[in-house]
Amino acid sequence: EVQLVESGGGLVKSGGSLRLSCSASGLTFNTYMMNWVRQAPGKGLEWVSAISTSSSYIYYADSVKGRFTVSRDNARKSLYLQLNNLRADDTAVYYCATSGRGYEEAFEYWGQGTLVTVSS
Amino acid sequence: SYALTQPPSVSVAPGQTATISCGGDDIGSKSVHWYQQKPGQAPVLVVDNDGDRPSGIPERLSGSKSGNTATLTISRVEAGDEAAYYCQQWHSGSDHVVFGGGTKLTVL
Repeated sequence: EVQLVESGGGLVKSGGSLRLSCSASGLTFNTYMMNWVRQAPGKGLEWVSAISTSSSYIYYADSVKGRFTVSRDNARKSLYLQLNNLRADDTAVYYCATSGRGYEEAFEYWGQGTLVTVSS
Repeated sequence: SYALTQPPSVSVAPGQTATISCGGDDIGSKSVHWYQQKPGQAPVLVVDNDGDRPSGIPERLSGSKSGNTATLTISRVEAGDEAAYYCQQWHSGSDHVVFGGGTKLTVL
């Protein structure tokens, strides 16, 4: 059974930092592109970042570029998201999700999410 | 920036057919995927590559694409289909993943 488990969320003040983690099991982690997707309270899904299998290609949404950094450790089957200079509008549940080998592929597996709350 | 446009809400009686549209200027260039999300839960992939169903998804759910619009069709709607539905596509022009704004399906 595939499992993705996010951790690291919490309450942080505006301008602060957090590091989210996503631990994978039940899949060959190094063959999957990985993504972060967030969902603000009562709002829709927003893609945040994607990272290729070997970390050679990394993409960010315009809303987080320059503030967030994605990385992965294939040996540890883990995905990370460093969130810096946080703002109130970064408050959301953050999900990690797989997207196969290609950018076009669907997000087949999702974690249950971790909540980040940014207070002003 | 590239956007996918969905109706905010769709209502349908049990047993009827629900159609949810997803419009985009470049939608024909890449595959469209659809997700179902129930309150308090993570999204679930229900249709990928425009019209394929992942294992375990009922045949009542189907996807299609024509021109600038992709469509999710749910036949013989049940109470358990009540959820938010999102379309998604990779936009190569911007190297971004794009989600539609979501459609809340209400079963009357």
